Amino acid sequence: QKEVEQDPGPLSVPEGAIVSLNCTYSNSAFQYFMWYRQYSRKGPELLMYTYSSGNKEDGRFTAQVDKSSKYISLFIRDSQPSDSATYLCAMSGGAGGYQKVTFGIGTKLQVIP
Amino acid sequence: DVKVTQSSRYLVKRTGEKVFLECVQDMDHENMFWYRQDPGLGLRLIYFSYDVKMKEKGDIPEGYSVSREKKERFSLILESASTNQTSMYLCASSLWTSGGQPQETQYFGPGTRLLVL
Repeated sequence: QKEVEQDPGPLSVPEGAIVSLNCTYSNSAFQYFMWYRQYSRKGPELLMYTYSSGNKEDGRFTAQVDKSSKYISLFIRDSQPSDSATYLCAMSGGAGGYQKVTFGIGTKLQVIP
Repeated sequence: DVKVTQSSRYLVKRTGEKVFLECVQDMDHENMFWYRQDPGLGLRLIYFSYDVKMKEKGDIPEGYSVSREKKERFSLILESASTNQTSMYLCASSLWTSGGQPQETQYFGPGTRLLVL
């Protein structure tokens, strides 16, 4: 079993839809949770990060962490064609010293105009 | 803005060649990383460095080496390129101390697509 599971998709939605992207994980030591967006043939760019459980909102994006279920989500409201990209979840232990970051394989999202 | 640059966007090499991939960051980050990204496998850590002249093996170091002579520069070396090293190579950097943002938040370069024939 992989430490981080993420459905690769692809996920196709119409413009304006609410998108839900999810990851599950098995390592209960994970404390930092991140979402990256990667456009085709580009490097990943950090979208959001959260610490421990709870929600965090940034514009049209909301990150949600449920540590009891080992489940994280990224919601995109009013999705736009420019949101078409691959979304990678990432997580780490967050304790002292360097903590390795474990990435999901990414979910490919296509927003249809 | 953090800027991570990589020396080449596309590279074609022959089997057995020695290959150098260069990465430079301009934000005085202590940590630097090399990953490869393959379809269905995601990002896999090859090596990382948390200080000048320091290096640590990642998950798949075999066939690779690294060099960090200056804080801003981290090089990945393929000693003798093989066809199974055809991949997208991504460099990243992050701060060592949190300063309000966890060190785990990494900033990536644009990537180098390497084809080994």
